[in-house]
Amino acid sequence: EPEVTQTPSHQVTQMGQEVILRCVPISNHLYFYWYRQILGQKVEFLVSFYNNEISEKSEIFDDQFSVERPDGSNFTLKIRSTKLEDSAMYFCASTASGVLVGELFFGEGSRLTVL
Amino acid sequence: AQKVTQAQTEISVVEKEDVTLDCVYETRDTTYYLFWYKQPPSGELVFLIRRNSFDEQNEISGRYSWNFQKSTSSFNFTITASQVVDSAVYFCALSEAGAIGANSKLTFGKGITLSVRP
Repeated sequence: EPEVTQTPSHQVTQMGQEVILRCVPISNHLYFYWYRQILGQKVEFLVSFYNNEISEKSEIFDDQFSVERPDGSNFTLKIRSTKLEDSAMYFCASTASGVLVGELFFGEGSRLTVL
Repeated sequence: AQKVTQAQTEISVVEKEDVTLDCVYETRDTTYYLFWYKQPPSGELVFLIRRNSFDEQNEISGRYSWNFQKSTSSFNFTITASQVVDSAVYFCALSEAGAIGANSKLTFGKGITLSVRP
């Protein structure tokens, strides 16, 4: 069964360092998302991406964050200068055109720990 | 603004008991979608159900059933004859309609941790 894959599964970094989280969405999907979940809290929308551009972003997604689809398969989230409060589980998700709204396919998440 | 409230934080039951997970939502939209996602210990989010605001018919899928009450803005989830494998965090979520194509910005509740003991 097709699935969304994310790497790394866990990354530990020092505050101020740049981090890139990678995602390989399901191959025929066109809409891509990043969500995050601070430990023990709810899942929060960060950004959605379609047709090589951001279609919507939340207040959390400030200038320190960027997304990119560098090739036909990867979808990346970059945090330029990590802060302690960026420690969270980051989920990538994708969905296809014509799939019912909200029926997202999530990856297993990348846990980011900022020290 | 949209909001999803899951007042229960943790529920513990013994296997074979029935359990209901509550979800209350707020939205100004007249058309919207409601969801339940499951997050097992492995961490991924698994889609369980989607319901649009025009369809108040309750749904049953095996041991799972969902009760959508628009009058009380609730979308509750019942697991019948719970099993240990049902142990997970369950999230209720809300999405506005009118999104472009399949663009889906979900507003999640805080989740309910369900523990099913043997």
